[in-house]
Amino acid sequence: GDSVTQTEGLVTVTEGLPVKLNCTYQTTYLTIAFFWYVQYLNEAPQVLLRSSTDNKRTEHQGFHATLHKSSSSFHLQKSSAQLSDSALYYCALSDHYGNEKITFGAGTKLTIKP
Amino acid sequence: NSKVIQTPRYLVKGQGQKAKMRCIPEKGHPVVFWYQQNKNNEFKFLINFQNQEVLQQIDMTEKRFSAECPSNSPCSLEIQSSEAGDSALYLCASRTGGAHYAEQFFGPGTRLTVL
Repeated sequence: GDSVTQTEGLVTVTEGLPVKLNCTYQTTYLTIAFFWYVQYLNEAPQVLLRSSTDNKRTEHQGFHATLHKSSSSFHLQKSSAQLSDSALYYCALSDHYGNEKITFGAGTKLTIKP
Repeated sequence: NSKVIQTPRYLVKGQGQKAKMRCIPEKGHPVVFWYQQNKNNEFKFLINFQNQEVLQQIDMTEKRFSAECPSNSPCSLEIQSSEAGDSALYLCASRTGGAHYAEQFFGPGTRLTVL
């Protein structure tokens, strides 16, 4: 079946330093869309980034990610972390046409410390 | 911001009791999903609908869970006989049909506690 792997369960970064959250995947879908969802405490998950184009960088709110099908990866990065970035981050994939369920990774809890 | 509405926000039931939660998808979104997020924050897909038709569902859903999305009424997810292991956050998500991206918009969830 399809799977998404996030290797870090907990990441702590000092404010102002770069952040990288890893995401790799396995899928049998021929057409796929990838997402990073962010979930703040007691809130609903919301899309942070999305991509379905190989080797194209996508950016939003200072975060960026590039889908690399050759390495089955979609890592999330930010050059300078902010305190407000503390949240749960989920890497996810779905069939490109969206009627299929989303497969989520286990999530990474990102904590930004002053 | 998501406009998916879920009620109730919190639900407490005893083992063996029925637990029912509702979801109003965003206007114009014919595709609705239910997920279970456990205490370890892991997501499990339960069922999805397009309009009133079930698209996919997992085995667990077929046995103790029932769900529907009737026309002109909220979608619902009901657990016929709650078990302690059902304690979780139940998230409803919706999306447009046939969109280029498969983005799903989530509601705030119903947190079920089974005592």
